[in-house]
Amino acid sequence: GIQVEQSPPDLILQEGANSTLRCNFSDSVNNLQWFHQNPWGQLINLFYIPSGTKQNGRLSATTVATERYSLLYISSSQTTDSGVYFCAASYGNNRLAFGKGNQVVVIP
Amino acid sequence: EADIYQTPRYLVIGTGKKITLECSQTMGHDKMYWYQQDPGMELHLIHYSYGVNSTEKGDLSSESTVSRIRTEHFPLTLESARPSHTSQYLCASSDGTATEAFFGQGTRLTVV
Repeated sequence: GIQVEQSPPDLILQEGANSTLRCNFSDSVNNLQWFHQNPWGQLINLFYIPSGTKQNGRLSATTVATERYSLLYISSSQTTDSGVYFCAASYGNNRLAFGKGNQVVVIP
Repeated sequence: EADIYQTPRYLVIGTGKKITLECSQTMGHDKMYWYQQDPGMELHLIHYSYGVNSTEKGDLSSESTVSRIRTEHFPLTLESARPSHTSQYLCASSDGTATEAFFGQGTRLTVV
């Protein structure tokens, strides 16, 4: 299967700061998704982004499929941005391989 | 907003009991998946289905079994629960080959 690596594993931010999370994947993928896992364990879809750049409010994502990486940008971070961010790459018939996640803590 | 539901949300059960975790989706998706996640860890695929009467084992070996008798329903069963089965189980669905997957709220299982 595909190997997915996320960095940094842990990140502490002052409220209002910007940050970039990185996801590297080991092989060509059908699609790439970013999720935010809330404290109750639910995965919230952030981006479905097999290539290119998308923006949703203060969040944006870029995937460069030819170089096998994706970036998630958080601008003007808020305490509600805290949590674990997962990158997942699709292989085979839309099975997802997950990275270990980025644990983000935003302090006021 | 995704329409995929899991019940129960939380379950504490004794060793040796049989349990079934329910997962239903109303989006008409042909593909459904079960992932297992230990606290603070990544998700691992344990079962998937490409349609009715189709089930396959995932990348992580699991003692659980699944069935897919109806498109919208993909239950997971443990015949005899053990403490090593304590984990969170998340169900997902998608449509087509390279399309967005949506997850249910998850079931947090504790076997005592």
